[in-house]
Amino acid sequence: QSALTQPASVSGSPGQSITISCTGTSSDVGSYNLVSWYQQHPGKAPKLMIYEGSKRPSGVSNRFSGSKSGNTASLTISGLQAEDEADYYCCSYAGSSTYVVFGGGTKLTVL
Amino acid sequence: QLQLQESGSGLVKPSQTLSLTCAVSGGSISSGGYSWSWIRQPPGKGLEWIGYIYHSGSTYYNPSLKSRVTISVDRSKNQFSLKLSSVTAADTAVYYCARVKTGTFYSNYNYYYYYYMDVWGKGTTVTVSS
Repeated sequence: QSALTQPASVSGSPGQSITISCTGTSSDVGSYNLVSWYQQHPGKAPKLMIYEGSKRPSGVSNRFSGSKSGNTASLTISGLQAEDEADYYCCSYAGSSTYVVFGGGTKLTVL
Repeated sequence: QLQLQESGSGLVKPSQTLSLTCAVSGGSISSGGYSWSWIRQPPGKGLEWIGYIYHSGSTYYNPSLKSRVTISVDRSKNQFSLKLSSVTAADTAVYYCARVKTGTFYSNYNYYYYYYMDVWGKGTTVTVSS
């Protein structure tokens, strides 16, 4: 069982927007710990999409955005494209005993 | 451009020690204040953080693996390594190495902590079987 809770799957049609949630506790997401998000296509290594909660690395489309409210971080993808179909994972620092935790992952299907 | 490449034993017998190396190319493992991490992914499952070595040399491990894990850096070879002892079938996974940026900053009267992995290796499959 993962420390951070994500929906197992989400789906959307091309051009639509979707949001993937990542729910933790006051010790990780809810504290002053900034979440990162990763995209993973089948058989490939994960790719950093969002860091420090809402920042995009160079080369990542501005269709990807990150936010947080309380104990829940969110990844929003606008203008869905077929190439966005992948698994998405959130990650957070979780304090000086647990250190780092991942979410269980969300499979995004573009209909 | 920085690249990471995992290598090591692809087949390990139960109770033995898994050993992997991550070679860093296109940059120095000692520059930029970066840390270095290992992550694994069992077949059909999600990502699991194994641990990381801070640029100072301090190490931090997943509590569930701590008694069996060692991460080290060889700066002369520009690489870092993972050793996982007493392996079982549950340790069968794709193992990834990654570069880590971690730290704190002060904003709006609060300290914020960040940890993220911005460069990943392609991964290497390790199977535990007799």
